[in-house]
Amino acid sequence: TQLLEQSPQFLSIQEGENLTVYCNSSSVFSSLQWYRQEPGEGPVLLVTVVTGGEVKKLKRLTFQFGDARKDSSLHITAAQPGDTGLYLCAGAGAADSWGKLQFGAGTQVVVTP
Amino acid sequence: NAGVTQTPKFQVLKTGQSMTLQCAQDMNHNSMYWYRQDPGMGLRLIYYSASEGTTDKGEVPNGYNVSRLNKREFSLRLESAAPSQTSVYFCASRSQGWRVTDTQYFGPGTRLTVL
Repeated sequence: TQLLEQSPQFLSIQEGENLTVYCNSSSVFSSLQWYRQEPGEGPVLLVTVVTGGEVKKLKRLTFQFGDARKDSSLHITAAQPGDTGLYLCAGAGAADSWGKLQFGAGTQVVVTP
Repeated sequence: NAGVTQTPKFQVLKTGQSMTLQCAQDMNHNSMYWYRQDPGMGLRLIYYSASEGTTDKGEVPNGYNVSRLNKREFSLRLESAAPSQTSVYFCASRSQGWRVTDTQYFGPGTRLTVL
């Protein structure tokens, strides 16, 4: 089993502050996805990164895939209350080809006005 | 276009009872998945179906069975529920399981409590 560790587990910040969430593993992944989940709902895909060193931006969210494809980070600039949610990273193993994902435990982000 | 739907939304069972969780997708996806989500543990894959007619075990299959009824529907059955199966269950689908850039769409979840 490939383990994905997310840190921190919980993050509470004020509106306008920046935050970074980390996702680390000792294993190589063929791709890594970030999801956001709101209470009572299923996770919703934010981004997929595939290439080592890849950086993707989604408005105020910046996602980076590590050069060795073992880790990833999510950075939010000028957080807003609408960014509140559970952020999950999920990796697809290098030898896996059927969309089976290994999820991290998640980072609960709370942005207060 | 409803995406992925799950029934029921909530269920309370007594130990030893059986039940089936239903999942359907209307996106013509080939691959479907069942996950459970427990506090502090993220989502763990129970079973998956790469394509119609095939099913395979995931990370935590014990105590569960699945049926890929047709391309649209993928059900999860608990034959004899145990308190350890109290969890939130999510069904997901994906156009092609082998294509890493494909989006995996999740249903709204079934919250199951086993007393």
